[in-house]
This record gives sequence, structure tokens and C-alpha cells, in this order.
Amino acid sequence: AQKVTQAQTEISVVEKEDVTLDCVYETRDTTYYLFWYKQPPSGELVFLIRRNSFDEQNEISGRYSWNFQKSTSSFNFTITASQVVDSAVYFCALSEAYSGGGADGLTFGKGTHLIIQP
Amino acid sequence: EAGVAQSPRYKIIEKRQSVAFWCNPISGHATLYWYQQILGQGPKLLIQFQNNGVVDDSQLPKDRFSAERLKGVDSTLKIQPAKLEDSAVYLCASSSQTGWGNTIYFGEGSWLTVV
Repeated sequence: AQKVTQAQTEISVVEKEDVTLDCVYETRDTTYYLFWYKQPPSGELVFLIRRNSFDEQNEISGRYSWNFQKSTSSFNFTITASQVVDSAVYFCALSEAYSGGGADGLTFGKGTHLIIQP
Repeated sequence: EAGVAQSPRYKIIEKRQSVAFWCNPISGHATLYWYQQILGQGPKLLIQFQNNGVVDDSQLPKDRFSAERLKGVDSTLKIQPAKLEDSAVYLCASSSQTGWGNTIYFGEGSWLTVV
């Protein structure tokens, strides 16, 4: 079963618009971490945020904000006043405490391709 | 601080040939990962090392893929023989701490095309 779902394959908005990227996750653990990464055309995955399952406070960092809701198993990402440089593929990822085998690697969604048009 | 270094950045090979990718993690990072990212998908973990020991290689196709981290620093991922479906970006990543939930930092990836 897919553990991280990013239903939006591609989103296109005009610069300065606000945009929200959705992430829904699935886990039986009560202890887990959620992440967002940005992947520009160069290919490198750039870390944006990490949030643990016990902290449901929303977070704001400049034009970026994250809304974590355990009740709906969602960890959505909003960019306010989008800019062309925000164009990239954005991945949501899950790290579970008991993923088995001792590994702590991330389980990624399929990503959302965000296009900001000038 | 230097990031995760990978080489080569791009490689084109014919099927049944072999290829090797090299990774140097962030200095001091004990945990190293190799991920495979097929076009249009999220990265998938292939193997995780803790120092020079393998923590998990359950998703590594061991009939053709191998990886090593002999001195607990650099790592090499090898594919032999390559198949068309191995065309992907191979991402190396590292983390400073053991255990789940740690921030994982990625390199720019090695782009492989098998023709």
C-alpha cells in the first residue's frame, strides 16, 4: 500500500499566486517524521522541513508554511506569493520508527511538479 | 560545509554493460544511503550503510546490483549487467546520526541511461 500520496501530479500558477501542495500519508506507527524536499532541474533533493508526529504546530519560514493535521493524516505545504525560482518538483516523505530491518530511509511520494509562470 | 559528492553525473551505456557510481558523503556522516529515482517517481531506497556495515539492502536487486563502503566513508554502487529498466537517477545521501527521523542530505545524483 502506498504510504505517501501526492495526488497533484502537476500544478501551474502565475507568479505571485499562492499555491498549496497536498500530502497524505499512511502509517500504523504513532511515532514518525514527515519531510518535504525540493528537487530543482539540477536533480539534487533539497531539504525543506522535518516534522515529528508529536508536534502539530504549523510552521512558517518566509514564504513557506506547512500545515500538519494528524486527524486527516495530511502534511500540506503552501508557498505564498510564488516566484519563478520556486519551480521544481516537491516531494513529501515519511520516516517511520519501525520500518523494519533497522533501516531509517525515507518513503517518498511521487512528487508534485510545480510550474510558476512569469 | 561541502555537500554529498557524486560522480559521474551522467552515464550512457548499452544493456548488459557494467557501470559504477561513486559517492562521498558529508564529512563526519556515518550513515550513507543509495536511492534509485525513476523518471516521474519518488526516490526508492536501495541500500543503507551505517559506517561500513549494511543496515538494509532489502530492495537492492542483488543479482545485478552491488554496493560497498569499505572504509566507512566513500561508497561505490555497481550495476552489472545493466538492463533497460535500470535507467534512472542514482542518488546518494547521508545523515549524521543513526536512527529514524534524522535529516537526510542528498547529492545531485548520477543520471544513468541504458540503451
